Amino acid sequence: NAGVTQTPKFRVLKTGQSMTLLCAQDMNHEYMYWYRQDPGMGLRLIHYSVGEGTTAKGEVPDGYNVSRLKKQNFLLGLESAAPSQTSVYFCASSSQNYNSPLHFGNGTRLTVT
Amino acid sequence: GQNIDQPTEMTATEGAIVQINCTYQTSGFNGLFWYQQHAGEAPTFLSYNVLDGLEEKGRFSSFLSRSKGYSYLLLKELQMKDSASYLCAVRDNTNAGKSTFGDGTTLTVKP
Repeated sequence: NAGVTQTPKFRVLKTGQSMTLLCAQDMNHEYMYWYRQDPGMGLRLIHYSVGEGTTAKGEVPDGYNVSRLKKQNFLLGLESAAPSQTSVYFCASSSQNYNSPLHFGNGTRLTVT
Repeated sequence: GQNIDQPTEMTATEGAIVQINCTYQTSGFNGLFWYQQHAGEAPTFLSYNVLDGLEEKGRFSSFLSRSKGYSYLLLKELQMKDSASYLCAVRDNTNAGKSTFGDGTTLTVKP
C-alpha cells in the first residue's frame, strides 16, 4: 500500500520556467489537497479538490493551477516559476469522513533561481 | 477563516512530560488534529478531538475545549525520537473539510 506518492522529490527551476508536480493516492480518497510549507510559516493550502473533475482555490492559489482528471491523481502546475515559489510542496488526501486525518506524500523540494 | 496559535519552540528533557498548547479562532469547526513532522519528512497523524475532553493514545494525549478554543498535546516519558515539529490543525465544516495549520512547535528533547 503506497499511500500518497509525489514526484519529483527535488527540482531546481529558473525563473519563468514551468513544471508540473504529480500526486497519486491509492486509498480511494475523495478529497485531495496541495500545501506549501515555508520556514516559520507552517502549511498553507494552495488548491484542493473534493472529487474527480472538481478543483477550488485555497489560501495561496496565485501562480498555480491544478487538475483532477482522475480520482487518484491531483496535479499542481507552475506556469511561470518565480523565486517566491521556492518551497516544499506537500500533497495530501483524506476520505469524506469528518474524523479522517490527512495522509501526506513525502514532499517536493522546489528551488527557483 | 481560521487563526491558530502555538508556541514556536520548546525544550524538554528525556523521560519528562511536555505540554504543547494550541489556541484557535474559527468560523467553522469540525475537529482538531495534531500531526508530528520530523525534519525533512512529511507530517504524520497523531490524534484527533472533536468533542471536549481528553483522548489518550499511549504516550500521547490530546485535550480539547471548544468553548475556550483551546487544545493541548501531552507527551509523556519523552524519548529522543520525539524531537520533531508538532502541528495543530483545525478542520472546517465545509464539504471539503479543509484543514488550517498552525505554524508548528519545534520540540527538542535533550538527554
